[in-house]
Amino acid sequence: EAGVAQSPRYKIIEKRQSVAFWCNPISGHATLYWYQQILGQGPKLLIQFQNNGVVDDSQLPKDRFSAERLKGVDSTLKIQPAKLEDSAVYLCASSLRRGDEQFFGPGTRLTVL
Amino acid sequence: GESVGLHLPTLSVQEGDNSIINCAYSNSASDYFIWYKQESGKGPQFIIDIRSNMDKRQGQRVTVLLNKTVKHLSLQIAATQPGDSAVYFCAENRGKLVFGAGTILRVKS
Repeated sequence: EAGVAQSPRYKIIEKRQSVAFWCNPISGHATLYWYQQILGQGPKLLIQFQNNGVVDDSQLPKDRFSAERLKGVDSTLKIQPAKLEDSAVYLCASSLRRGDEQFFGPGTRLTVL
Repeated sequence: GESVGLHLPTLSVQEGDNSIINCAYSNSASDYFIWYKQESGKGPQFIIDIRSNMDKRQGQRVTVLLNKTVKHLSLQIAATQPGDSAVYFCAENRGKLVFGAGTILRVKS
């Protein structure tokens, strides 16, 4: 069974630029999560989707971050404009149903200069 | 605020020894905990979980202990191997995962 796919794996941008990350969850998984993992810390949930609807985006900095999952499968996370403190690994995870075991992708490492 | 955290940031053990990684939590209503392993360049990987109606749960070479009285849980790895080197996180599952800061496990050969 294929795991969670993410791209790109690495991205370097300058502050105030825009960036987008893509995630393809495990086939059939209804719930999709985006996490931010700053170096030396545990992952922090940014947003959770159930199919194509947002369940929880309480930790998402909505002035600069946005995410969508239009067809209930793939998802994109965008940052516009980026700040230095956005440098982190962005992890995507999926689960069959809400509350089930989450399977993580390899993450996208973002460096903002 | 509510948090899940770890006591030791780095643990070095000799190959073949047992490892114990600790975690404290603050929310007494917490009822479901998960241990994850994260290797360099990879996402977290599920190791073992435990619910509050249990004190102990065993897997292959791993055991999780839960002490609800002092709000503490631990992960024990038996006969630690070089492949166990990673960062270990405890997380609380409240429908969404709340992670602690992590412990680095280094296995010396």
